[in-house]
Amino acid sequence: GAVVSQHPSWVICKSGTSVKIECRSLDFQATTMFWYRQFPKQSLMLMATSNEGSKATYEQGVEKDKFLINHASLTLSTLTVTSAHPEDSSFYICSAADPDAAFFGQGTRLTVV
Amino acid sequence: DAKTTQPTSMDCAEGRAANLPCNHSTISGNEYVYWYRQIHSQGPQYIIHGLKNNETNEMASLIITEDRKSSTLILPHATLRDTAVYYCIVRFGSGTYKYIFGTGTRLKVLA
Repeated sequence: GAVVSQHPSWVICKSGTSVKIECRSLDFQATTMFWYRQFPKQSLMLMATSNEGSKATYEQGVEKDKFLINHASLTLSTLTVTSAHPEDSSFYICSAADPDAAFFGQGTRLTVV
Repeated sequence: DAKTTQPTSMDCAEGRAANLPCNHSTISGNEYVYWYRQIHSQGPQYIIHGLKNNETNEMASLIITEDRKSSTLILPHATLRDTAVYYCIVRFGSGTYKYIFGTGTRLKVLA
């Protein structure tokens, strides 16, 4: 099956710093990638959709200047959490889609201290 | 965008079939039904998807009613490793699709 790799698996950062999370589709080209966040005991919440070479489309209520998304190639998308604060601590999950389905990375647990 | 309704939780005995229902009564004619599962602290895993015909793969079977307003995911011989949250999703959009997660069903397989 299609493999999506996300890095890092976990990260701890200080409040006010920025953190970058990478998402790679290893064995297919993804024209569309998605970023989700998940709080404990809750479902996944879609943050944004990105198409290769285009600006990301953010869901309502998601700050685009805080969560910077870059989808520079068909196999790589990055999410940068800028000026992170403790309330940004969460489980971030990326997804890469081929024409048939979306496949998910293993997630990144971000803790802001 | 079509919404889905699933039971909050279900139990299943190990070795028995697990049947997970999903209602999607507002689904449109060209919208697919997808099933994913999420094991604790991992990203969701793709299971199966379908439009209107029943589908089967090495993991599960998907039964879609004729009116497409509901579907059932069947795990034929559940094991303890199948304990997870199962999400039924209706993929919607044109050109760029979206996968919106509902609350899912927490399946617990009992020894």
